[in-house]
Order: sequence, then C-alpha cells, then structure tokens
Amino acid sequence: DAKTTQPPSMDCAEGRAANLPCNHSTISGNEYVYWYRQIHSQGPQYIIHGLKNNETNEMASLIITEDRKSSTLILPHATLRDTAVYYCIVRVTGSSNTGKLIFGQGTTLQVKP
Amino acid sequence: GAVVSQHPSRVICKSGTSVKIECRSLDFQATTMFWYRQFPKQSLMLMATSNEGSKATYEQGVEKDKFLINHASLTLSTLTVTSAHPEDSSFYICSASGPGILAPLHFGNGTRLTVT
Repeated sequence: DAKTTQPPSMDCAEGRAANLPCNHSTISGNEYVYWYRQIHSQGPQYIIHGLKNNETNEMASLIITEDRKSSTLILPHATLRDTAVYYCIVRVTGSSNTGKLIFGQGTTLQVKP
Repeated sequence: GAVVSQHPSRVICKSGTSVKIECRSLDFQATTMFWYRQFPKQSLMLMATSNEGSKATYEQGVEKDKFLINHASLTLSTLTVTSAHPEDSSFYICSASGPGILAPLHFGNGTRLTVT
C-alpha cells in the first residue's frame, strides 16, 4: 500500500511556481522519496528523487524536511504542459521487494492561463 | 535518458481471445520489469514483478494463469492476457529498472486494451 498522503488537486497560475506537498510520516531511514507525473493517457514520467538532502534537476526541485516526514516538489515556472497527476512515492527497497513503486492517488495539478 | 517502448499502444480483441503486450528497454538492460494496470480515473495498480530468467512475482489478487508474464531477455518482457473478458479492458503499463536497486523506473506509454 502507498505510504504517502497528497492533496487530491491543486491549481497554479501559468508562470508561477507550483508547490506540491507530500506527507510520508512512516518513511524508513533507507527509503527514498520519488516523484513522477502522468499526463493523460501516457505512462508516468520520472521527475526527481531524494533521500534526505534537497535535490534539483532541470525539471524540478525536491525539498525534504529534516525529519523526512514530508516533502515538497517545486516546479519553478509552471506551464500549461505541466498539467498532470503528480505522484509522490516512497520507494520500497530490499531484496524481497526489488525496488517496486506503489502508487497512491496523487495530486491533479491544473495549470491555468 | 532511458527509454521504454511498449507495443501495441492500442488493441481491441474479442472476448475469449488472448492478447500479448511487449515491453522493451531500448537503451539499457533491465533485470527487473514491472507491469501495472490502470482503470479510468484511478491510480496505477501493480500487477507483477518480472525478473529476467525467473518466474514473475504476482501481487495479491492478480491471477498468474490469466496474466502470463515472460521475461526472456534483459531487454524484453511480455504480458499475455489470456481468455480476455470485457472486465480486462484497461490501460496496461510496463516499467523497467536498470542496474542498481535505486535506479529510477522508466515507464512505457501504455497499452489500451479493449475487449469486446
């Protein structure tokens, strides 16, 4: 079962930063936080992942709280093409789980003109 | 970046027939692949984990004899929906993981299966 909690939906104005929160209060010390997004009728797209340090790449930034119980995905300048369902996932690791991803319900981000 | 190709993108079949879906990692070797199913307005549900050279591991509630998975090489996994019924109509998505337990999973673009 998914071990994350996200708001079901959010709106963001085009050109502004989109900040998507995620709670993962039961995260274990060796579990990473992954973010994916899914645009309608396509496969999920990898965005970013992190363990405890903040991470940034060409798509987004990931801010993880010091206690690792929550994180925020930041899209610095949202565009209409960023409208999608965003999934925050705690990556299950270990020899018996082979790193599979368990998806929750995600946050539907609507970027508006 | 890593590319996962899925084929076909859409398929319509008659009830009682079988359908095979292919998942290929195009520019990396995937020791592990995952198969998901997604119904309209719902999230992805993990069906099974496909390991190269060994039997797939199915999630609870997924019928292994109905959803046959073969991972014969490091770049190809197939999912066969046997004796398909209308309730099997769904969006099937595969993903592949390269070497390393924490390598990001990369997803194919899915296969829309419609059983009539």
